[in-house]
Amino acid sequence: QSVLTQPPSASGTPGQRVTISCSGSNSNIGSNTVNWYQHLPGTAPKLLIYNNNQRPSGVPDRFSGSKSGTSASLAISGLRSEDEADYYCAPWDDSLNGVLFGGGTKLSVL
Amino acid sequence: QVHLVQSGAEVKKPGASVKVSCKAFGYTLSAYYMHWVRQAPGQGLEWMGWINPDSGGTNYAQKFQGWVTMTRDTSISTVYMELNRLRSDDTAVYYCAVDFFSSGSAFNIWGQGTMVNVSS
Repeated sequence: QSVLTQPPSASGTPGQRVTISCSGSNSNIGSNTVNWYQHLPGTAPKLLIYNNNQRPSGVPDRFSGSKSGTSASLAISGLRSEDEADYYCAPWDDSLNGVLFGGGTKLSVL
Repeated sequence: QVHLVQSGAEVKKPGASVKVSCKAFGYTLSAYYMHWVRQAPGQGLEWMGWINPDSGGTNYAQKFQGWVTMTRDTSISTVYMELNRLRSDDTAVYYCAVDFFSSGSAFNIWGQGTMVNVSS
């Protein structure tokens, strides 16, 4: 069964840089691009990063993504209180023939 | 302005069916696949499948095969997601979403979500 592993929680103080990891396998991250979403309670998820490291228009350059092998990371620099949200990685999975979401990481800004 | 508008909240009894609609504005519905994603209370995001509004072709996540039906009506720029034989753990917010980047999973446009509450 395909699984994407994210840390359940992360935290940082305003201005800090935090990184959220996403570990997968050859059928997902290893062979497809990774997208990242920010999800605030009561709102629809927002695409932060697509194709591993591309930012959609309007997403601040404080957000960056990278991928190496079967792992990917989302980095947030200059942390702000409004960054407090849940973050999900989401590549296509060839074995499932579908989109696979990571379990999500709850980011707290202390 | 490109946006998706979903139908309103639903309350259903176990065993019933629910049909959620998603109307597209600002672009041609048939140009991009429409995906459905849900989030149960306290849980993460879960991909359900997609429909090709042009052909009507579908691809459902294995978990939902035989249980979900996605359809479309291009004349009114609307897609539908029907979930049958509802159980209490189908209580969730259901979203439609579009990948304008055509990467397979880069959903840059989302509906506002439809809460479906399954309770006896």
